[in-house]
Amino acid sequence: DQQVKQNSPSLSVQEGRISILNCDYTNSMFDYFLWYKKYPAEGPTFLISISSIKDKNEDGRFTVFLNKSAKHLSLHIVPSQPGDSAVYFCAASVSGSARQLTFGSGTQLTVLP
Amino acid sequence: EAQVTQNPRYLITVTGKKLTVTCSQNMNHEYMSWYRQDPGLGLRQIYYSMNVEVTDKGDVPEGYKVSRKEKRNFPLILESPSPNQTSLYFCASSFGTGQDRPQHFGDGTRLSIL
Repeated sequence: DQQVKQNSPSLSVQEGRISILNCDYTNSMFDYFLWYKKYPAEGPTFLISISSIKDKNEDGRFTVFLNKSAKHLSLHIVPSQPGDSAVYFCAASVSGSARQLTFGSGTQLTVLP
Repeated sequence: EAQVTQNPRYLITVTGKKLTVTCSQNMNHEYMSWYRQDPGLGLRQIYYSMNVEVTDKGDVPEGYKVSRKEKRNFPLILESPSPNQTSLYFCASSFGTGQDRPQHFGDGTRLSIL
């Protein structure tokens, strides 16, 4: 039973437009959420995170929104660039848990020039 | 350069032939972890280590062993590999398990067990 779900395996967006990647979770104990980005033949790299005490965190072109009541978070990329084409993983954790991260299955984002 | 190094990057082997995937980090991180990535399942944790000589099971530990004799190294051992262990493996490390300390990942090891 996957506790973190990314229901869209792929997403295509035109360069300059907004990309919205979605993630749902079922475990109400999760209180910290992260997005990782992965290029082919490389490991995932940390992109942005959000604590459950916030509903929004912004870093340049990347913004993560958290809706705790819906157990839903989303990553917005504005404007999208071809270099953003990658697989994006949503991950969640519980404070103080040594098990750390539970990952979603990933969404392949393709930004078309 | 701060990095997590995995070797080998690719390996094709046969069922039952013991293999070790090495992982080394140069960031003096206490926490290290192994994940496997399979289509449609994302990354699942195999084992983790909070520090030297401290290891524990993750979500999918069956068929794997690990050791942490030195802080920088965290090898993954498959004593008797089977085809269902064909996967893409990632090693990761971080300073502790604090939420503000994201994990750094290696570039992956693709294992094919025939």
